Formats: sequence, structure tokens, C-alpha cells
Amino acid sequence: EVVMTQSPATLSVSPGERATLSCRASQSFSDNLAWYQQRPGQAPRLLIYRASTRATGIPARFSGSGSGTEFTLTISSLQSEDFAVYYCQQYNNWFGWTFGQGTKVEIK
Amino acid sequence: EVQLVESGGGLVQPGGSLRLSCAASGFTFSTYWMSWVRQAPGKGLEWVANIKEDGSEKYYVDSVKGRFTISRDSAKNSLYLQMNSLRAEDTAVYYCARVGRFYAFDIWGQGTLVTVSS
Repeated sequence: EVVMTQSPATLSVSPGERATLSCRASQSFSDNLAWYQQRPGQAPRLLIYRASTRATGIPARFSGSGSGTEFTLTISSLQSEDFAVYYCQQYNNWFGWTFGQGTKVEIK
Repeated sequence: EVQLVESGGGLVQPGGSLRLSCAASGFTFSTYWMSWVRQAPGKGLEWVANIKEDGSEKYYVDSVKGRFTISRDSAKNSLYLQMNSLRAEDTAVYYCARVGRFYAFDIWGQGTLVTVSS
């Protein structure tokens, strides 16, 4: 089983500031790592795939990086609509899809 | 517009059955893997099952193997999840999702709530 661990659980940030979210995998796999945003009462939305590629329509303030077991989602300047829960997710042939437990980005 | 719309959720007793449906539109349904992902109340996301473009391959998370069956009908552009022997821990919002590039879920439905309770 692959375990995805996100940190921190909650991140308090002021609007306009940078937010850095981490995701660690219990074992190394390919760079099939994605990030999702979920606002309250809404379905998740794909932000980043293949660790660093922005999905269609995602603003440039969202960026992804990392490889192996360590991945990062950076939001360069938080907007009001960015306060949400963020999930990382990996895929591998043995265990299928695994999500992290989520990081809640809240207004400071 | 690319869209997925789930239906079929509701309240069911433990041990009961329910069939979820997902109607796809705005894209060529028959060329994509499709998945079900669930989210228990106040919890994170959990992948449940997925199915190949032509339905020839199906995969499940261990906790639902033998109880849930994923299927699809390309003539109706629809995805299904037959859920049997339901347990309280299956209570969740169930999302239909398209598997896009590099195994990311690039399109999601709005979800349908399944509540297993007596």
C-alpha cells in the first residue's frame, strides 16, 4: 500500500501571501502525481497533473514541483477563492489511485 | 460542455443494494477510462473503482471487492456502480470522474449521497 501524507493539515495564510503545501509518498513511484482543490460543498477540481503541469484553465499562480517521494503545490499569491481543501493523489500500477488526507488553506 | 451527472443515491439499510448512474456528455465517452471516487462525511477522497474504455478491465479498492460492480454502456454514454451488501462505512458522496492524462481525474460530477443506516 502507498500512503500519501500531506502537511500541514491546516495552513493559515493572509490574502496575497504565498502558500506552500507538501505531499510525501511512502514509496517512490512515477511522477503521476496530481493536485486537486475542493471548495466547501463542491466537487474536487483538477489543478496539476504529472507533478507540475497545470490543468486547462488553471491560473498561473498555481504551480507544482517535486519527484520521487516529495511533491509541493505552491500558490504564489492567495486570492479569496483559493481558500479551500487541497488533495494530492498518486497513481501506480499495483495499488491504483491513492489520495492524501488533505490540507485546508484558511484565511489568517 | 463536458459534463458528468450522477444519480441514484439515497438512504438504504445495511445489507441493502443501490445502483448509481453517471451520465456523460460533451466528450467521446467510449475513449476514456472512468472511475468512481467517494468521500465520507467530513473526510477525504477515496478511489473506489475504475473501468477501461471498452469495459474489458475493472479494478476495485480492497474494501469493496466482491460487493461493488462497475460497468458502462457506451451507447448510452453512461457509467454505473452496483453496490450490494452495503455497510455503514460505505456512507459517502460518490463522484463519477473521468481519467485523463497521466491518470489524473480531470472531470468530476457533482456527486450523489449514499447513506447506509437503519
